Amino acid sequence: AQKITQTQPGMFVQEKEAVTLDCTYDTSDQSYGLFWYKQPSSGEMIFLIYQGSYDEQNATEGRYSLNFQKARKSANLVISASQLGDSAMYFCAMRPNSGYSTLTFGKGTMLLVSP
Amino acid sequence: EPEVTQTPSHQVTQMGQEVILRCVPISNHLYFYWYRQILGQKVEFLVSFYNNEISEKSEIFDDQFSVERPDGSNFTLKIRSTKLEDSAMYFCASSEASGVTDTQYFGPGTRLTVL
Repeated sequence: AQKITQTQPGMFVQEKEAVTLDCTYDTSDQSYGLFWYKQPSSGEMIFLIYQGSYDEQNATEGRYSLNFQKARKSANLVISASQLGDSAMYFCAMRPNSGYSTLTFGKGTMLLVSP
Repeated sequence: EPEVTQTPSHQVTQMGQEVILRCVPISNHLYFYWYRQILGQKVEFLVSFYNNEISEKSEIFDDQFSVERPDGSNFTLKIRSTKLEDSAMYFCASSEASGVTDTQYFGPGTRLTVL
């Protein structure tokens, strides 16, 4: 079974600073995908970034980057130059290669960006 | 940019009533999913659907739940006899394929309140 752990229930950061949101995972699969989603207070789930287990380079998407350390089974999200609009809940999720297409989510981290 | 849409945004119902939640997936996507998120908790997988049949379902998806693709665009989740514990945000998602690298795009959600 897959498991995603997000140990930070809440994080605070000042505007324009960088912040790292932690995610560790557990799976016996060799091939898997890791995803980060953002959930603002309005409730929708917004896809941010994807990292494949066989990708040699860390994924980047604008101000988002993924610090992927396969041996440690961690996939931390780094947000650079935080903006007030980044205040939201952030979920890490994983999809294994075995079985079907289920996404397994972590419990999320609430990020608050202050002026 | 194509997006997943869901209606209604908020549904209030009495315990024991039937509800149908509607979704329009992204038009060229072939795989469809329902997830739910009880308030303050993580997102949980309910069911995946491909080629007009269920491909995977979780333990949550019992006989009270059913899914259907009644036409070429809509994808519905029916709860036959709602219970208080069905109160949650229900997300529809879709993806082009079901591989590890395939991103699932989520709709804005339907908040279901069972009284």
